[in-house]
Amino acid sequence: NAGVTQTPKFQVLKTGQSMTLQCAQDMNHEYMSWYRQDPGMGLRLIHYSVGAGITDQGEVPNGYNVSRSTTEDFPLRLLSAAPSQTSVYFCASSYSEGTLSYEQYFGPGTRLTVT
Amino acid sequence: EDKVVQSPLSLVVHEGDTVTLNCSYEVTNFRSLLWYKQEKKAPTFLFMLTSSGIEKKSGRLSSILDKKELFSILNITATQTGDSAVYLCAVALTFGTGTRLTIIP
Repeated sequence: NAGVTQTPKFQVLKTGQSMTLQCAQDMNHEYMSWYRQDPGMGLRLIHYSVGAGITDQGEVPNGYNVSRSTTEDFPLRLLSAAPSQTSVYFCASSYSEGTLSYEQYFGPGTRLTVT
Repeated sequence: EDKVVQSPLSLVVHEGDTVTLNCSYEVTNFRSLLWYKQEKKAPTFLFMLTSSGIEKKSGRLSSILDKKELFSILNITATQTGDSAVYLCAVALTFGTGTRLTIIP
């Protein structure tokens, strides 16, 4: 099992550019999430999905889009990058039973810098 | 809005000391509380707590949940330098800001 994979590991964008951060998991987990981590801010939820075709906003969704066409993949799109989106981005997945989700497995993270 | 608050924000102790990290929460539909350890990379799972009063233990680490008072504690006994990390508490998909623990040899 590869677990949760994320690409790229590092990315530098100019203000206004768009890009997609890729996330995939091979554990057949229903729940998938995207977080950003800034110094002193912990992990803040951007968007999440409880299954293929279902997505919802988290705490800080503005400037980001997601889709979940398969159980395995959950890409995060930055529509028009801004310096405030400079951060480390983590994708995570978890097994669930009904509304109870278990521990999240995290990808290695993507360090994004917007200049 | 779900809220998870951790304290202290940072803690510096000497090797061999015992530490207690705190996590309180206000959420609309509690199902479980989870503790993670984050060193330089992605968080890794420590404990999941769903029932009040039942201690989870793993070596020198232990954790307990109080659903009436809406908090949990994470204890680390006989700390080692390898315990230096940020410890994160989460309820569902909401994380606290973490406690940065530094162990001085």
